[in-house]
Amino acid sequence: EAQVTQNPRYLITVTGKKLTVTCSQNMNHEYMSWYRQDPGLGLRQIYYSMNVEVTDKGDVPEGYKVSRKEKRNFPLILESPSPNQTSLYFCASSPDRPQLYGYTFGSGTRLTVV
Amino acid sequence: AQKITQTQPGMFVQEKEAVTLDCTYDTSDPSYGLFWYKQPSSGEMIFLIYQGSYDQQNATEGRYSLNFQKARKSANLVISASQLGDSAMYFCAMREGGSFYNQGGKLIFGQGTELSVKP
Repeated sequence: EAQVTQNPRYLITVTGKKLTVTCSQNMNHEYMSWYRQDPGLGLRQIYYSMNVEVTDKGDVPEGYKVSRKEKRNFPLILESPSPNQTSLYFCASSPDRPQLYGYTFGSGTRLTVV
Repeated sequence: AQKITQTQPGMFVQEKEAVTLDCTYDTSDPSYGLFWYKQPSSGEMIFLIYQGSYDQQNATEGRYSLNFQKARKSANLVISASQLGDSAMYFCAMREGGSFYNQGGKLIFGQGTELSVKP
């Protein structure tokens, strides 16, 4: 089944403890991106990647890191999480023609930083 | 400046009636794409419909259609014959940049409209 897989689905952590949220897609998509969703703000793009080893900042990159060492994986790293990073996170990927199938989203990761 | 604006935080519609969800956008890029997504209470993001800036006709997909008015920079979603299962949050999004074939680029979302369908 074609999908974007995020792990974990839920995570509670403490301030300052480094964490990684994994994202993997099995559709050979070149484009991948990360979003956070907060009430009243919609989804805001954190980082995106047009291809392996090519990443760029979205609208809210502060406090986050990403890497794209291989096409299928695009992990999101929080080096020192803070409570304001408590949010619902989505990973997404898209084919060459996103207008046909849209961007495919993962199921989301609900992160709580205490 | 807000690039995607959804001015209706919440809306109600009677089952079987049509409903229009508003979306206005702002961009200076001549090549862009507009998407609508549905997010039910379970949280997943479901792709509904796409409109490209160069498309001559309004997009349609089953009960969903997009009322695209380029000069007014609006891309309203019309849902015909509403069903109870249409109750969800709806997001309008715009892709800026990317290649000629609309690959990649930044995807910018509006704040969302929560639609409730009444029986």
